Amino acid sequence: GQNIDQPTEMTATEGAIVQINCTYQTSGFNGLFWYQQHAGEAPTFLSYNVLDGLEEKGRFSSFLSRSKGYSYLLLKELQMKDSASYLCAVRSSGGYNKLIFGAGTRLAVHP
Amino acid sequence: DTGVSQNPRHKITKRGQNVTFRCDPISEHNRLYWYRQTLGQGPEFLTYFQNEAQLEKSRLLSDRFSAERPKGSFSTLEIQRTEQGDSAMYLCASSLFYPRGVGNEQFFGPGTRLTVL
Repeated sequence: GQNIDQPTEMTATEGAIVQINCTYQTSGFNGLFWYQQHAGEAPTFLSYNVLDGLEEKGRFSSFLSRSKGYSYLLLKELQMKDSASYLCAVRSSGGYNKLIFGAGTRLAVHP
Repeated sequence: DTGVSQNPRHKITKRGQNVTFRCDPISEHNRLYWYRQTLGQGPEFLTYFQNEAQLEKSRLLSDRFSAERPKGSFSTLEIQRTEQGDSAMYLCASSLFYPRGVGNEQFFGPGTRLTVL
């Protein structure tokens, strides 16, 4: 079966750091993606991990442990505009690049 | 604008009517995907094309749904005899696949929001 779990909602303060966790159980694995989605808009690509470890991109970092079926997205120096849903997605194996998404974590950043 | 575009952005229809959506991917992208997203959920995969060939269809895609990508460029998604349960955001995404590509990330269009009354 395919199962991707993320917390439903999180809140944080402007300027702080927040970590959004994602656990997955999928029948195949060929990489994990994080997308940001503002209300009513399309998901936009944030990061990609296929090997274990940390990938850093400015204020955003993403970590992957394949043996634990676990990833997290770390957002630093939070800004109000970071209020959005964050979607964890696993790419299936087999070459078709189909993405299996979690339900998303709705992050609210407060002043 | 070189991003993925979708038309229309919004569609309101009565139950039983047919609707068709269009997606124009990023021009050099050879892979095109359709997803459906309902409120509070992540996108769910519907179907996928590599160039003009439809290579995979989800079990979510009933016989009322059909998708085409006739010349390997734009794609259409048609829903026949719409039902209220079809109300959702329909997202199109495209990617450029190349062997040993690192990410092959998918770029999403703005979506078509369908409301079936």
